[in-house]
Amino acid sequence: KNEVEQSPQNLTAQEGEFITINCSYSVGISALHWLQQHPGGGIVSLFMLSSGKKKHGRLIATINIQEKHSSLHITASHPRDSAVYICAVTDGGSQGNLIFGKGTKLSVKP
Amino acid sequence: NAGVTQTPKFRVLKTGQSMTLLCAQDMNHEYMYWYRQDPGMGLRLIHYSVGEGTTAKGEVPDGYNVSRLKKQNFLLGLESAAPSQTSVYFCAAREPSTDTQYFGPGTRLTVL
Repeated sequence: KNEVEQSPQNLTAQEGEFITINCSYSVGISALHWLQQHPGGGIVSLFMLSSGKKKHGRLIATINIQEKHSSLHITASHPRDSAVYICAVTDGGSQGNLIFGKGTKLSVKP
Repeated sequence: NAGVTQTPKFRVLKTGQSMTLLCAQDMNHEYMYWYRQDPGMGLRLIHYSVGEGTTAKGEVPDGYNVSRLKKQNFLLGLESAAPSQTSVYFCAAREPSTDTQYFGPGTRLTVL
């Protein structure tokens, strides 16, 4: 079974700082996902990556398949970015089942 | 277009009681999932369905049953609730072309 590890577990930043959240996994995958869980509990998908890099607004996600590692970067962080960021990997099966990390809780202070 | 909805949002049960959580989607996706989220742990897959009339076990299926009688609905049942089933339950539907899962808002269940 794939093990998904995220670091750090908790992160506090000042508004405007550049933020990096890391994710590593133990077994080769077909895709990696980054999700955001709002303080109210809702979960939304941010990115799906199988190689390289993707950018959406101030969010950038990268993946290194050889090193089994992905990073999520937030540029010019803002208090509204405060949330739990979750990394998940697809196990490669046709069902698209995800294996989730425990999440990184980000708090951005004004 | 509501996406994925869950009913109820909150529920308190006594040990041994039964209940059904309803998940509904209006996106016509084949794949649907039930997860539970517990403090300090990642989301864990309970059961999933790859289409109407089909269900399969996930990582933590014990104590739960599911049914997918209609494509748009995925029901999660607890026949005899236990305190260990206190959790937040999320339903999701997957769009295969983008491999994106759309989550419902969650149901917070407390079993006393």
